[in-house]
Amino acid sequence: DAGVIQSPRHEVTEMGQEVTLRCKPISGHNSLFWYRQTMMRGLELLIYFNNNVPIDDSGMPEDRFSAKMPNASFSTLKIQPSEPRDSAVYFCASSPTRVSDTQYFGPGTRLTVL
Amino acid sequence: DAKTTQPPSMDCAEGRAANLPCNHSTISGNEYVYWYRQIHSQGPQYIIHGLKNNETNEMASLIITEDRKSSTLILPHATLRDTAVYYCTSESGGGADGLTFGKGTHLIIQP
Repeated sequence: DAGVIQSPRHEVTEMGQEVTLRCKPISGHNSLFWYRQTMMRGLELLIYFNNNVPIDDSGMPEDRFSAKMPNASFSTLKIQPSEPRDSAVYFCASSPTRVSDTQYFGPGTRLTVL
Repeated sequence: DAKTTQPPSMDCAEGRAANLPCNHSTISGNEYVYWYRQIHSQGPQYIIHGLKNNETNEMASLIITEDRKSSTLILPHATLRDTAVYYCTSESGGGADGLTFGKGTHLIIQP
């Protein structure tokens, strides 16, 4: 099992550009989570999906952020336009069931917005 | 805000048991206690979880007090590779609402 796959692993972009982060969850998992980690705020939940449907997006910081899960094997987190304060490590995690189970995290995407 | 509080850092000698405390006095009766750890530059890794009873797996043991207000994660024979930030968090058993992480405990294993 390859685990949760995220791409790219590193992204450097300029302020105002659109950024798209990608995640492939573990096959068979039906919950998917996006987290953001910064030194100041720690690890924060942004949004999560169950069976491809967004359940809670209250952690999404503002309208510049959007997330989709078009099918069970793929999700994207988009930032448009990006700002320097969006610089962080973004983690995707998946879980096999909605009822209290362990989450498996990907390696993260380190985003730097100049 | 996180429902758990942990000491910011701890040291432990290699080969000794590392005991990491966590206070979670406000979690509800149906919330599980979860422990994750994050080794530098990697994604968090699940360690163990429990509701009321003590739990043990190949990585660690989890001791939950009878009143469920606190718990202790025990790494029985710490190695240098156990140096990481350890997070204690809680999650309702009724649905995976995502995890709320606090600052965690930075455990440093000394050779």
